[in-house]
Amino acid sequence: DARVTQTPRHKVTEMGQEVTMRCQPILGHNTVFWYRQTMMQGLELLAYFRNRAPLDDSGMPKDRFSAEMPDATLATLKIQPSEPRDSAVYFCASGPGGEPNYGYTFGSGTRLTVV
Amino acid sequence: DAKTTQPNSMESNEEEPVHLPCNHSTISGTDYIHWYRQLPSQGPEYVIHGLTSNVNNRMASLAIAEDRKSSTLILHRATLRDAAVYYCILDQTGANNLFFGTGTRLTVIP
Repeated sequence: DARVTQTPRHKVTEMGQEVTMRCQPILGHNTVFWYRQTMMQGLELLAYFRNRAPLDDSGMPKDRFSAEMPDATLATLKIQPSEPRDSAVYFCASGPGGEPNYGYTFGSGTRLTVV
Repeated sequence: DAKTTQPNSMESNEEEPVHLPCNHSTISGTDYIHWYRQLPSQGPEYVIHGLTSNVNNRMASLAIAEDRKSSTLILHRATLRDAAVYYCILDQTGANNLFFGTGTRLTVIP
């Protein structure tokens, strides 16, 4: 089965450090999502892209978060500077976009701990 | 964002059918109804989706009310591996963005 690959799986960092999370969407998928999951807030949509262009990043704190797709095989989510409240599991998902005849595939997530 | 309402938790006995309800009274005419589930320590997993007609796939069935204000995910024979949080989500007018609610935590009793 095709998979969405996220790296790293786990990241522990100190407050103030830059964090970069990477996602390799399924080949041929043109829609990519970033979600954050915490116990308190559940799954929150941070941003999503279609054909590498950001369509909506209103769920993302703009002052410290940034999301990009340098090419069709890589999506990145950066936090600079990181804060303890950013501790969460970050999921990437991809889908074929357009007519929703297919579901979206999620990666296994990056568990981020900011101390 | 169009909202969905689901019970916080449900229980089922193993090998019995499970009906997971979802209310979406503010659904728009072209909103698709999606169901995902999240097993412990994993990312969400697509289960099924539909627009107006009932849908079946290898994982589950989706029954959509005639007025589309509610739907029911049906697991025909629950197994222990079906224990997860099930999310009912509206894909608004094909916008391809999914806003997750709190979901229903399904416990399967051996």
